[in-house]
Amino acid sequence: QVQLVESGGGVVQPGGSLRLSCAASGFLFNSYAMHWVRQAPGKGLEWVAVISYDGNSQNYADSVKGRFTISRDKSENTLFLQMNNLRVDDTAVYYCAKDIRFLEWLHPDYWGQGTLVAVSS
Amino acid sequence: SSELTQDPAVSVALRQTVRITCQGESLRQNFAAWFQQRPGQAPKLVIYGKNNRPSGIPDRFSGSRSGNTASLTIIGVQAEDEADYYCNSRDSSGNQWVFGGGTKLTVL
Repeated sequence: QVQLVESGGGVVQPGGSLRLSCAASGFLFNSYAMHWVRQAPGKGLEWVAVISYDGNSQNYADSVKGRFTISRDKSENTLFLQMNNLRVDDTAVYYCAKDIRFLEWLHPDYWGQGTLVAVSS
Repeated sequence: SSELTQDPAVSVALRQTVRITCQGESLRQNFAAWFQQRPGQAPKLVIYGKNNRPSGIPDRFSGSRSGNTASLTIIGVQAEDEADYYCNSRDSSGNQWVFGGGTKLTVL
């Protein structure tokens, strides 16, 4: 079965950096696009970024463009989110999610349980 | 990017029917995906495409679209359906995704 396990969250000061990881198993990782989605405490879902199945294309939400970088390691079946110049409003649970469509991107289907990032001085 | 608008809260009596809607211009070109999120849990896909249910999702859940409005309908609501529901689609550019603000469904 599909499993997605996020890690790397924690407390960081404004302006700091953090790298999130998402270990994937139970499906052909190298054949599916992957997303990061976040949820601020008590708020709704916000799409953050997507990377194509082959890692050659990435797209970002305007709110994180230029600060966050999504990447993937084919050999390790792992998705990453490098977050730089963090702001207080980046505080959220960060979910990784697999895309539903084989070799393309359409929308998420399976989600991990999330990792909490708290940006605070 | 475009926006998707949902009613913040809807309530329904047990075993009745409820429709949750999602409005946005991007829905004229893209089908919405619908996610259910129970408290403390990760979102779960319940409807995608024209009207498709992932394996394990009860057939009381269905989806539809008319113009710029997507709808999630639950016929014969059960207590366990009480949750937040989010619609999602690609925006008009096709390069970003957007979620609706979410609808909190309360089962009376």
